[in-house]
Amino acid sequence: AQSVTQPDIHITVSEGASLELRCNYSYGATPYLFWYVQSPGQGLQLLLKYFSGDTLVQGIKGFEAEFKRSQSSFNLRKPSVHWSDAAEYFCAVGAHGTSYGKLTFGQGTILTVHP
Amino acid sequence: SQTIHQWPATLVQPVGSPLSLECTVEGTSNPNLYWYRQAAGRGLQLLFYSVGIGQISSEVPQNLSASRPQDRQFILSSKKLLLSDSGFYLCAWSDGGNSPLHFGNGTRLTVT
Repeated sequence: AQSVTQPDIHITVSEGASLELRCNYSYGATPYLFWYVQSPGQGLQLLLKYFSGDTLVQGIKGFEAEFKRSQSSFNLRKPSVHWSDAAEYFCAVGAHGTSYGKLTFGQGTILTVHP
Repeated sequence: SQTIHQWPATLVQPVGSPLSLECTVEGTSNPNLYWYRQAAGRGLQLLFYSVGIGQISSEVPQNLSASRPQDRQFILSSKKLLLSDSGFYLCAWSDGGNSPLHFGNGTRLTVT
């Protein structure tokens, strides 16, 4: 079975600073990987996804993530954080051959942005 | 465009009372439908998914059940709520294949 670890429960950055949120997965084959963002009291919004091909994927709101097979990682990055990026971020992994909705989520990383 | 509606947004129910949460999707046909629960600090847990009317798969044994009476309607129910059923419940849909999940805005359930 697949699993996802987000090592950082809470990260605080200053507005304008760069950001990297870590995600490590465990899966026996090439996974499908996703990053979602959740504002307080809201549902989750898809930021980006990796299925195959180019290991650097671009998403919405200026986010990007890089798939590194050797490190089993899919870290999320943004070069300059805006105050509106404050939210909780979830990494998720899906397995080939199953319904895409059967995702395994990490426990989330809460991002606080200081002005 | 597709939209997903989930209600109510918040709900406070006593222990032992029944539960019915509803989710509907517009703008697509034969979607895959999902119920997730989000407990504080524990990420999201898949509870049920459905690939068609009347087809329900349960991922974890629990006090809850799900039904899909219509193509774009997904209902989460319980006959008698437990304190441990408190949480944030999210409905989601996908087109299957390579399409990702699309989430509703969730229902905050507090069992007292």
